[in-house]
Amino acid sequence: AQRVTQPEKLLSVFKGAPVELKCNYSYSGSPELFWYVQYSRQRLQLLLRHISRESIKGFTADLNKGETSFHLKKPFAQEEDSAMYYCAPPAYNFNKFYFGSGTKLNVKP
Amino acid sequence: DTGVSQNPRHKITKRGQNVTFRCDPISEHNRLYWYRQTLGQGPEFLTYFQNEAQLEKSRLLSDRFSAERPKGSFSTLEIQRTEQGDSAMYLCASSIIQGSDTIYFGEGSWLTVV
Repeated sequence: AQRVTQPEKLLSVFKGAPVELKCNYSYSGSPELFWYVQYSRQRLQLLLRHISRESIKGFTADLNKGETSFHLKKPFAQEEDSAMYYCAPPAYNFNKFYFGSGTKLNVKP
Repeated sequence: DTGVSQNPRHKITKRGQNVTFRCDPISEHNRLYWYRQTLGQGPEFLTYFQNEAQLEKSRLLSDRFSAERPKGSFSTLEIQRTEQGDSAMYLCASSIIQGSDTIYFGEGSWLTVV
């Protein structure tokens, strides 16, 4: 089964600073990885997924198979980025996702 | 709002009582999932349905827990003889059966067992 580690419980940065939310996974096959986000008082929602290789709200995530990492990055953090972020690899048949424990991003003005 | 709907949103119950949560998925979604989330943790998978069939259950789902999706539409999650350790957010999500499609979460149902 996939396992994912998000080593930081809390990450505080100032507005305009770069941000990197770390995610390391253990997976024996070719991983498909997702990032989910939960803003205050909102439901958990998809932010981006590895396979799409797109940038959402300025965030990107690169899969590094050598380091088994899927870190989420944004060059210039905004206050509205403050939220809980979860790294989540799916099971091979997408019947479930394995969520990390999450990182709370706090962007200070 | 055509998203995943859950109710009740909050439930406080005494230890030993039974509780039931309901989830209405997005209408065209044939997969439905239940997750549990405790403070400081990410969501943990409990079970999932494909249409009305319950295809997988986590070991977290003890025999006091039962989930149903009788007509392949809404689902219920019942917890019998609640314990304080059952206090958590119970999240429902749905998706279509199509490879790597995303899942859409409801707002969750908070359970507090006192």
